[in-house]
Formats: sequence, C-alpha cells, structure tokens
Amino acid sequence: DAKTTQPNSMESNEEEPVHLPCNHSTISGTDYIHWYRQLPSQGPEYVIHGLTSNVNNRMASLAIAEDRKSSTLILHRATLRDAAVYYCILSSGGSNYKLTFGKGTLLTVNP
Amino acid sequence: DAGVTQSPTHLIKTRGQQVTLRCSPKSGHDTVSWYQQALGQGPQFIFQYYEEEERQRGNFPDRFSGHQFPNYSSELNVNALLLGDSALYLCASSPDFGGAGYTEAFFGQGTRLTVV
Repeated sequence: DAKTTQPNSMESNEEEPVHLPCNHSTISGTDYIHWYRQLPSQGPEYVIHGLTSNVNNRMASLAIAEDRKSSTLILHRATLRDAAVYYCILSSGGSNYKLTFGKGTLLTVNP
Repeated sequence: DAGVTQSPTHLIKTRGQQVTLRCSPKSGHDTVSWYQQALGQGPQFIFQYYEEEERQRGNFPDRFSGHQFPNYSSELNVNALLLGDSALYLCASSPDFGGAGYTEAFFGQGTRLTVV
C-alpha cells in the first residue's frame, strides 16, 4: 500500500479554519485519498474522499495537489467537537478495499 | 438505523484463553472488516468477510479467525490469547457494489479486550 505522511499533532482555536496536510508521493493512479477521523473513545468515522479534483461536503473540504502527491483536509470553522485523530489513507476504493491507517494527526482545538 | 454494533464493549481474559467478539453490520451492508487498534496506534487490518468467505487478510497469525453468517453479522475469534492481544477491536461494514464506485466504511465503537 502506498504510504502517507502526516504531522503528529496540530493545534487550532475554535471557530478558526484548520488545514491538515498529508503527503503521499508514491500514490498510484487508481488510489483514492480518504480521510477518516477518530474521536476519543469512538471508532473511526468517514470524513471525505477524493480522486483528482477538490471535494466539498458538509463536514470538510479536500484540496488535492495537481500532481496528487499531497492533499489538505480543510475544516472551515473548527469546533471543540472536531478534536480528534485525523487519518489520511490511500486505497483503491471499491467494496473490497482495506484501510491502512498510520498514526494520523492529533488535532487539539482550543476554546 | 443502529449503525454498526459490537459486543461486548469491554472484556477481560486470561493469557491462553480464547475469545469471541461479535459485530452486526449497518443495515444493507454485506461486507465486514475487522481491525485491531493498540493503544496510541492507528487501526490495523485483520481480515474482511464477504458472502461468508474471508476475502482478504492482513498480517495476523492463524490464532485470529473469523466467521460471517447469512445475515452478514460476523465474529472474530482469537485463540491462545497473549498479553500483546490487548487492544481495541473494531468492526467496519460497507456495501459491495461489485467493484464499481466508491464505498465508505462505517465503524462500530469497538470492543476493548484486556488480556491479563
């Protein structure tokens, strides 16, 4: 599986935007970029995914570099509830893919 | 929709014993995957079940086995428990679209296993 690199931790203030970076220089042409997050004492939850184009949903935006070797998850206005570990994952998508998690980025949101 | 449910939420076992963890997938989902999450680490893929067969497997020993039932629910069995098996065990479900399109995985809250 192609590998991703994320900062171990980041800090933000409430109601400010947060940009979480992810490097994936060995991404293949068929790899989707997934973001999941894990709140304390919970299982991971899906945030967003993309292939080539930037994506928006109700939770976040995903900005993908033109060469696809990096991406950024954008939380437009961080809330205390967004404090979690954020995982950037590559896989082929489809129904039989497995998710290969790294250590992720621990996001702290200050009130 | 209850989402993915796992049972039990916590349990304590003694080294050498066997344990069975259970998972009910989200309604309409036929694919179940199991992950192990050690403290401070990201989840690690154990295996995936579809149509009652193990479809793919991660780097885990044969002590880890599973089963999927006709109603798509699944069990994870671990034999000869080691102290190092202490972890949060997560179940994830997703629908199978025959390889076409994208599917997201829905995770349960996990079962916290402590081996003493």
